[in-house]
Amino acid sequence: AQSVTQLGSHVSVSEGALVLLRCNYSSSVPPYLFWYVQYPNQGLQLLLKYTSAATLVKGINGFEAEFKKSETSFHLTKPSAHMSDAAEYFCAVSGTGANSKLTFGKGITLSVRP
Amino acid sequence: NAGVTQTPKFQVLKTGQSMTLQCAQDMNHNSMYWYRQDPGMGLRLIYYSASEGTTDKGEVPNGYNVSRLNKREFSLRLESAAPSQTSVYFCASSEPGGWREQFFGPGTRLTVL
Repeated sequence: AQSVTQLGSHVSVSEGALVLLRCNYSSSVPPYLFWYVQYPNQGLQLLLKYTSAATLVKGINGFEAEFKKSETSFHLTKPSAHMSDAAEYFCAVSGTGANSKLTFGKGITLSVRP
Repeated sequence: NAGVTQTPKFQVLKTGQSMTLQCAQDMNHNSMYWYRQDPGMGLRLIYYSASEGTTDKGEVPNGYNVSRLNKREFSLRLESAAPSQTSVYFCASSEPGGWREQFFGPGTRLTVL
């Protein structure tokens, strides 16, 4: 069975500071990995995904994530936080089969201080 | 294109009442999903439909039923609502395949008293 772990429930950064949201996965085979973002009172939308091509993946809004097999990690980063980045972020993992389904982490709320 | 739409946006039920949550997508996707979101729990899969005419249980199916009405529509029914079913419910759609992006609706906030 596959799973992801997002440690902590809340991260607070100052505007302009580095954003680092951690995600570790557990999977018996190389997985597909995703980061989704949920803005207040909205559904989820895809930020970026890893599908076994480049290990450094760039997404929307200046976010990127690096797949590190040796550390079983897929941490999300952004060099400079903006107020509009305040949201809840979910890491998710999927298998490689045609009927594979997403398994989400518990999510982490990002607050950005002026 | 509207993407994935859900109705209603909000609903309050009394214990034991029934209701159906509606979901429709206009992206011609084969696969559709129902999730529930609870604080500190992330999203958990209730049921999914890999293609029209098929449905399967997810992680937390107890107390729910689904119908894949056609390729566009996938409904979720609570036959006898319980307070433990108070949650935000999201519908999503995608093409089959673990690498595919799922597209989410805006959610239905359900409270069971």
